[in-house]
Amino acid sequence: ETGVTQSPTHLIKTRGQQVTLRCSSQSGHNTVSWYQQALGQGPQFIFQYYREEENGRGNFPPRFSGLQFPNYSSELNVNALELDDSALYLCASSLWRTSGTNEQFFGPGTRLTVL
Amino acid sequence: DAKTTQPNSMESNEEEPVHLPCNHSTISGTDYIHWYRQLPSQGPEYVIHGLTSNVNNRMASLAIAEDRKSSTLILHRATLRDAAVYYCIRVASGSRLTFGEGTQLTVNP
Repeated sequence: ETGVTQSPTHLIKTRGQQVTLRCSSQSGHNTVSWYQQALGQGPQFIFQYYREEENGRGNFPPRFSGLQFPNYSSELNVNALELDDSALYLCASSLWRTSGTNEQFFGPGTRLTVL
Repeated sequence: DAKTTQPNSMESNEEEPVHLPCNHSTISGTDYIHWYRQLPSQGPEYVIHGLTSNVNNRMASLAIAEDRKSSTLILHRATLRDAAVYYCIRVASGSRLTFGEGTQLTVNP
């Protein structure tokens, strides 16, 4: 059973550019969530995808968008990058349950630096 | 928003038990309590979760107060590898996790 993987590990972009981050879910998981973690803070929920549909969104602007593919891998796209977008981006996969019992498995994250 | 309150930091000695407290006084009847931890330079890692009863697994124990307004994560014998930020999270339906600032646990040799 392979764990959650993310690519790239590190990325440097300039303000105004666009970026795509990738995530491969753990085998058998049908739900992927993305989080942004600024330095010294807890992760903040961006959005979640279940069966290729967005299934909940946090307080992030529309320039943050995502995709989930039939094999349950996922992408996070950020347009018009701002300096404050510099953070660790975490992907987490899980098996959907309506109760609050499902554990999430996190990848190691992608460190994005916006200059 | 699903709020919990934890101390900013705690310190323990190696091989001693650690009790990490969490307050969730506004918890609803169907919210689960989850604990995750984040080691340096890694993504968060699931530790344990519970609803009403105390729970044990290979990593830790979770003691939930009878009124469910607080809980305690128990590491029975702390090791240096347990040094991490520990997050206590209320989880309703679905998978959204609302992280707070967590508790930074330092383990002294």
